[in-house]
Amino acid sequence: DIQMTQSPSTLSASVGDRVTITCRASQTVSDWLAWYQQKPGTAPKLLIYKTSNLESGVPSRFSGSGSGTEFTLTISSLQPDDVATYYCQQYYSFSHSFGQGTKLEIK
Amino acid sequence: EVQLVQSGAEVKKPGESLKISCKGSGYSFNIYWIGWVRQMPGRGLEWMGFIYPGDSDTRYSPSFQGQVTFSADKSINTAYLQWNSLKASDTAIYYCARQRRMVTTSDAFDFWGLGTMVTVSS
Repeated sequence: DIQMTQSPSTLSASVGDRVTITCRASQTVSDWLAWYQQKPGTAPKLLIYKTSNLESGVPSRFSGSGSGTEFTLTISSLQPDDVATYYCQQYYSFSHSFGQGTKLEIK
Repeated sequence: EVQLVQSGAEVKKPGESLKISCKGSGYSFNIYWIGWVRQMPGRGLEWMGFIYPGDSDTRYSPSFQGQVTFSADKSINTAYLQWNSLKASDTAIYYCARQRRMVTTSDAFDFWGLGTMVTVSS
């Protein structure tokens, strides 16, 4: 199984900050990588698919990049509504494993 | 509008059986793989596997193979997740979710159900 490791596990930033979350795979996943946002008490929401493609309706302040084993999710200007836990997921291998999550808080 | 409507919360005792459901609407249910994702209390997301409602082809994560069963009834656009003998460690929220592109399993989940909370306690 491919292991996905996110860093940091918790992140505190100020409104307007540029925020970056990293996701590393234990082996290559090519560009088959998605990012989800989960707010407390709600289902996950797809933000980005295939590394850098923004899902319809997702604000343009979210972006994704990377390839192979290292990927990033960037929020260009943090908003209060972005408080959530973020998960990466690879869908390159048979088991579509998730990262452990990054909890994003506002300072 | 694409929707996945999941069945309500369940409280069960260890050793009991359970079947929860996920009903799709607003799209061609038969031609999109449906996945199941577990979220234990306070924990992250775990991919359990998929089912293709068109022919009930299934793919299980090795972690869940033999522990749960996926099924589907395409006549009523519904997928199911079933346990034969629940354990306390099965306590979790279970989400169903749709693959973003039809037919393939190689994609992200674009639509999610609200989740079914399963509590297993004596």
